[in-house]
Amino acid sequence: GNSVTQMEGPVTLSEEAFLTINCTYTATGYPSLFWYVQYPGEGLQLLLKATKADDKGSNKGFEATYRKETTSFHLEKGSVQVSDSAVYFCALSSISGNTGKLIFGQGTTLQVKP
Amino acid sequence: SAVISQKPSRDICQRGTSLTIQCQVDSQVTMMFWYRQQPGQSLTLIATANQGSEATYESGFVIDKFPISRPNLTFSTLTVSNMSPEDSSIYLCSVASSFEQYFGPGTRLTVT
Repeated sequence: GNSVTQMEGPVTLSEEAFLTINCTYTATGYPSLFWYVQYPGEGLQLLLKATKADDKGSNKGFEATYRKETTSFHLEKGSVQVSDSAVYFCALSSISGNTGKLIFGQGTTLQVKP
Repeated sequence: SAVISQKPSRDICQRGTSLTIQCQVDSQVTMMFWYRQQPGQSLTLIATANQGSEATYESGFVIDKFPISRPNLTFSTLTVSNMSPEDSSIYLCSVASSFEQYFGPGTRLTVT
């Protein structure tokens, strides 16, 4: 079945460091891919998305490219800030071409220290 | 976009009791989803609720434990029945719109 695997956390970085959170997936068809963020004490927010191969999603300095050949959707940011501290979830839609039902990875906690 | 509200935002319940969680959306949507986020874990889909039909449950979730109502295109309820401490989780309502899925703020449930 469809699944999402994220790198385990927690990830601890200093401010202005480069961030990569790995995400790989297994899916039939052509799912859409998403990164969601959950800040402390808040609800789940969509960070960025990509709906087809080679698409690059970007938002708030974060980027991720839909790589079909490696079945990956790694999240990157060139310079993290303390305010980026949160839990990040990679997800895929189980219905091709639609959000449909989402399958989430286990989440990666990011802690950025000043 | 869609704005989703949930009630209650949190509750502490005794084992063996039931709690009904309400989800209200500010626009009409075909499909609504209910997710569970157990402490320190990821989100798991419980069921998909379409207006006018019975909810579709994912493997491991059954209607007797998690009955769902969907009386119209902007509202749904999820009941957690005969609760046990293992049901302590955050329960989230979600809707799909085009290529985005929006989540409610969640209901934090603690069962003692």
